[in-house]
Amino acid sequence: EVVLTQSPGTLSLSPGERATLACRASQSVSSTYFAWYQQKPGQAPRLLIYGASNRASGIPDRFSGSGSGTDFTLTISRLEAEDSAVYYCHQYGYSPFTFGPGTKVEIK
Amino acid sequence: QVQLVESGGGVIQPGRSLRLSCAASGFSFGSYAMHWVRQAPGKGLAWVSVISSRGSDMFYADAVKGRFTVSRDNSKNTLYLQITGLTGDDTAIYYCAKGQSSLLAGPGDFWGQGTVVTVSS
Repeated sequence: EVVLTQSPGTLSLSPGERATLACRASQSVSSTYFAWYQQKPGQAPRLLIYGASNRASGIPDRFSGSGSGTDFTLTISRLEAEDSAVYYCHQYGYSPFTFGPGTKVEIK
Repeated sequence: QVQLVESGGGVIQPGRSLRLSCAASGFSFGSYAMHWVRQAPGKGLAWVSVISSRGSDMFYADAVKGRFTVSRDNSKNTLYLQITGLTGDDTAIYYCAKGQSSLLAGPGDFWGQGTVVTVSS
């Protein structure tokens, strides 16, 4: 099973700042099969990024993804209050598919 | 618009069985793979299973293999998850999610609001 590790566990930043979230895989994953999700309290997850760097429909361009192999990054270029959420990385290249434990982004 | 509505959850005694359903609308259900993902109270997301668009292929998480069975009825636009031998570890919100394509290897690009399963005597 591909284990995904996310860092940091919690990120506390001010509006307008840049957030950088990391996800490391226990083995190389093709970027084609890597995604990021956002989940707000009481809501279902929302797909942000697929194929490591492709924004899903309706996702603002302040969200961007990058990476390859074992290291992937989600960047939120200019934080807004509505970005307060937990962010999960996800690989769907190897069965069983897996999620990371999440990074909580808090807006000061 | 895409809609996914899960049902079938509730309070279930340990050892019993349960079938969850996910009613889909707003898209060509039979053309897309479908996922189940669960989330235990206060915990992160845990991928459970995926089924191909025609229902011929499926994958499962190691933790549920042998007890969970995913299936679909494309004539009814409905996805199912049969769970046997329920334990406390199965207590979670169960989400269904639409795949991006007919292929198994794709992310869930739209999710339902989930159904809550609580295993308790």
